[in-house]
Amino acid sequence: AQKITQTQPGMFVQEKEAVTLDCTYDTSDQSYGLFWYKQPSSGEMIFLIYQGSYDEQNATEGRYSLNFQKARKSTNLVISASQLGDSAMYFCAMREEGAQKLVFGQGTRLTINP
Amino acid sequence: DGGITQSPKYLFRKEGQNVTLSCEQNLNHDAMYWYRQDPGQGLRLIYYSQIVNDFQKGDIAEGYSVSREKKESFPLTVTSAQKNPTAFYLCASKFGIGTYNEQFFGPGTRLTVL
Repeated sequence: AQKITQTQPGMFVQEKEAVTLDCTYDTSDQSYGLFWYKQPSSGEMIFLIYQGSYDEQNATEGRYSLNFQKARKSTNLVISASQLGDSAMYFCAMREEGAQKLVFGQGTRLTINP
Repeated sequence: DGGITQSPKYLFRKEGQNVTLSCEQNLNHDAMYWYRQDPGQGLRLIYYSQIVNDFQKGDIAEGYSVSREKKESFPLTVTSAQKNPTAFYLCASKFGIGTYNEQFFGPGTRLTVL
């Protein structure tokens, strides 16, 4: 069974610092996709970044990057130069190949302090 | 502008009433999804549909029903059989059936049972 674990319920970071949000997953499949979403207080889910299980390079999108360690089954999100607008809930999610279901972790609430 | 719309944004229901949440997309996406989010929790899949006139149950389908008569629309009915319907409901859509395609989300509907 798929399972996503985000062990940090809340993180507090000073503005302009980098922050790493942890995510580990459990799957017996070799082919799968990993996704990170941001959920501001407004509630909408905003797609941030994607990593495929066969991707050899860590994914990057602007200030977002992933530290993908396949053997450890972890895909940590790194936000560089954090901004006040980064304050939100962050969710890690996984989809196995051929599956339609996206399985979400419990989320991490990130607060950026000025 | 392409996107997903959900209405209403806030919905109040008396116990024993059925209510229908609207979800419309103009992204020409094939797959559509309904998720439920409880406070401080991740998203759980209620129903999903990959093509018109076809849909499948997710993890928590009991007390809910859906229809997919048009590609653009995927309404969710919360029936009186749903014991604890107060939650935030998110609709999503995805292009194609690939593992690596991200889901796009609507702004959500917050349902409160009085």
